[in-house]
Amino acid sequence: GAGVSQSPRYKVAKRGQDVALRCDPISGHVSLFWYQQALGQGPEFLTYFQNEAQLDKSGLPSDRFFAERPEGSVSTLKIQRTQQEDSAVYLCASSSRLAGVANTGELFFGEGSRLTVL
Amino acid sequence: AQKITQTQPGMFVQEKEAVTLDCTYDTSDPSYGLFWYKQPSSGEMIFLIYQGSYDQQNATEGRYSLNFQKARKSANLVISASQLGDSAMYFCAMREEVNTGNQFYFGTGTSLTVIP
Repeated sequence: GAGVSQSPRYKVAKRGQDVALRCDPISGHVSLFWYQQALGQGPEFLTYFQNEAQLDKSGLPSDRFFAERPEGSVSTLKIQRTQQEDSAVYLCASSSRLAGVANTGELFFGEGSRLTVL
Repeated sequence: AQKITQTQPGMFVQEKEAVTLDCTYDTSDPSYGLFWYKQPSSGEMIFLIYQGSYDQQNATEGRYSLNFQKARKSANLVISASQLGDSAMYFCAMREEVNTGNQFYFGTGTSLTVIP
């Protein structure tokens, strides 16, 4: 597709359930980011991939959060044993930029997956 | 310390007037990029404008311009001739290109309301 695609767009989970959120970046984009955005707040960094390598996962709030990008394209963010504080919009973004390559390299965002934990 | 600071939670501007949204940043990285994104109520993040740390001139994109003051570490967004469709959240972001390998940081945002 032309843009970043995320699914599901909306997910309601009961506390304690596991959820998986999928991100399909723009074809050829090597960098992929996951952000968590609470209502009325800015995006908070979760994790970053360059191709299949997870270069930074320092933003993952706990070991219940896990992300992967096994073939360097589609990525999945998994949240185990969901809690109410996990309710947020999860944004995925991709970029064509590699370190040292001179282009703007802006992030292209998906529409987000809105997670509500009851 | 916050990497990106946006001190204006909410701003109002009259239609057709200009408005400045403030952004300051904190980095020791020798090379970085500064970005502004717009997020309407529908939720999508829309890229507006980019300024590289080595760019000598301020970036402009249509009605958007970025007032880059490197010594002050500020990257304010100026929207000229405001339109009703400009009402949205605006986020300033920074990419550190050396120290953190292209990590992006976002501010908390400014909510802009354009008044008819």
